[in-house]
Amino acid sequence: AQSVTQLDSQVPVFEEAPVELRCNYSSSVSVYLFWYVQYPNQGLQLLLKYLSGSTLVESINGFEAEFNKSQTSFHLRKPSVHISDTAEYFCAVSEDAGNMLTFGGGTRLMVKP
Amino acid sequence: DTGVSQDPRHKITKRGQNVTFRCDPISEHNRLYWYRQTLGQGPEFLTYFQNEAQLEKSRLLSDRFSAERPKGSFSTLEIQRTEQGDSAMYLCASSDSGRAGNEQFFGPGTRLTVL
Repeated sequence: AQSVTQLDSQVPVFEEAPVELRCNYSSSVSVYLFWYVQYPNQGLQLLLKYLSGSTLVESINGFEAEFNKSQTSFHLRKPSVHISDTAEYFCAVSEDAGNMLTFGGGTRLMVKP
Repeated sequence: DTGVSQDPRHKITKRGQNVTFRCDPISEHNRLYWYRQTLGQGPEFLTYFQNEAQLEKSRLLSDRFSAERPKGSFSTLEIQRTEQGDSAMYLCASSDSGRAGNEQFFGPGTRLTVL
C-alpha cells in the first residue's frame, strides 16, 4: 500500500523568502507524484506532476519539485514567495496515472508581509 | 469546459437521515472519482468509475455508502442512516484516461454536517 507524509503541517514564511514544503512517500512499485494547491474557499488545483523523464518539474507560477527516488521524496520549492501563495498544499501519489490518488495531510503555507 | 460541478455545496442533516450528492464531471471525461476530506486532513479516496462501471471501492466506503454513474456522465453518492462521523467535505474529480498523465480535475466539494 502507498502512503504520503508531509512533515510540516504549517510553514510560516515572510514574503520574498524561499520556501520548501517536504513530501515523502512509500510504495512498493513505481509511482506518479503530484502537488495540488487549495486556496481559501476554493477546490483543489493541480500545481505540478512527475510522471517520467526529468526529475525536476516546474509550475507556471514559479514552484518546482524534484523527484528523488533514493530518498522517496518529492519536495516542493519556490525561491521567492508572494502573499498570494498563501494556501494549503497537498502532495499526492498514484501507482497508476489513471488510478486513485493517495494524499498527504497537507501543509498550510502562510506568507506574511 | 465548465469544470467539475457538485450539488449541493452545503448540506446539514440530522443523524439517521439519508443524503444524496451529485457530481457533474467535465463532459469529455470518462473517469470520475469520489474522495472525502475531513478537517485538517488530506482527501481520502472512496471510489471511482470508468464510464458507468465502478472499478474500485475503498474500505472506507461502508455499506451505508453507495455510488452510481448510470449513464457514464453524472454520478451520485448516497449516504444512508448518516452518522456524525460522516461529517466531511465530499470531493468529486474527473479525468480523461486518454490524456497523458490523466490529471484529475476537482470540483468545489459538498460540505456535509451531520447534527
